[in-house]
Amino acid sequence: AQSVSQHNHHVILSEAASLELGCNYSYGGTVNLFWYVQYPGQHLQLLLKYFSGDPLVKGIKGFEAEFIKSKFSFNLRKPSVQWSDTAEYFCAGGLNTGKLIFGQGTTLQVKP
Amino acid sequence: NAGVTQNPKFQVLKTGQSMTLQCAQDMNHNSMYWYRQDPGMGLRLIYYSASEGTTDKGEVPNGYNVSRLNKREFSLRLESAAPSQTSVYFCASILGQGTSYEQYFGPGTRLTVT
Repeated sequence: AQSVSQHNHHVILSEAASLELGCNYSYGGTVNLFWYVQYPGQHLQLLLKYFSGDPLVKGIKGFEAEFIKSKFSFNLRKPSVQWSDTAEYFCAGGLNTGKLIFGQGTTLQVKP
Repeated sequence: NAGVTQNPKFQVLKTGQSMTLQCAQDMNHNSMYWYRQDPGMGLRLIYYSASEGTTDKGEVPNGYNVSRLNKREFSLRLESAAPSQTSVYFCASILGQGTSYEQYFGPGTRLTVT
């Protein structure tokens, strides 16, 4: 069955620490991968997406993700987090129909 | 350009009551989606509409119906609400297709069923 899983459910970091959130997908065929962020009380916003090409994808707000096909992974990274990065982060896999399969989400809390 | 709008933002229902969640987009997108978000479970697809006049079930369609009224509007109906339907509901529409696309999400409707 098609699925996306996120390893970390709740991450607490201090400002300036580096961030890596894990995401693994499990489905065949064309792989389209996304990271979305949801700030408290707001709707989901796209951070970055991967469809093909360079496996290292750069997104908004200094985030990047690397697609590693051999590991079925698409981990999100940021070298130095800020308090304003406190939010919930969702990895999603997309089918060519446009439907998204979401991971469980990771809550990131950044302490000032 | 308002993007994806949803109404209402909050709603409390009693078990057995019915209601319709409204969603509209002004971006001329063809495909629209309804998701529910529950703690620890991410977002799960309820129904989607690939184009005006078509709808298909997603992962968790039981207890819901949808209507794609026109290209702009995609409503979600709960005919007889149950406490298990307490959730946050997000509508989305999609720009692009196939090898490159992006979903745009509405602000959500927080529904409580008592």
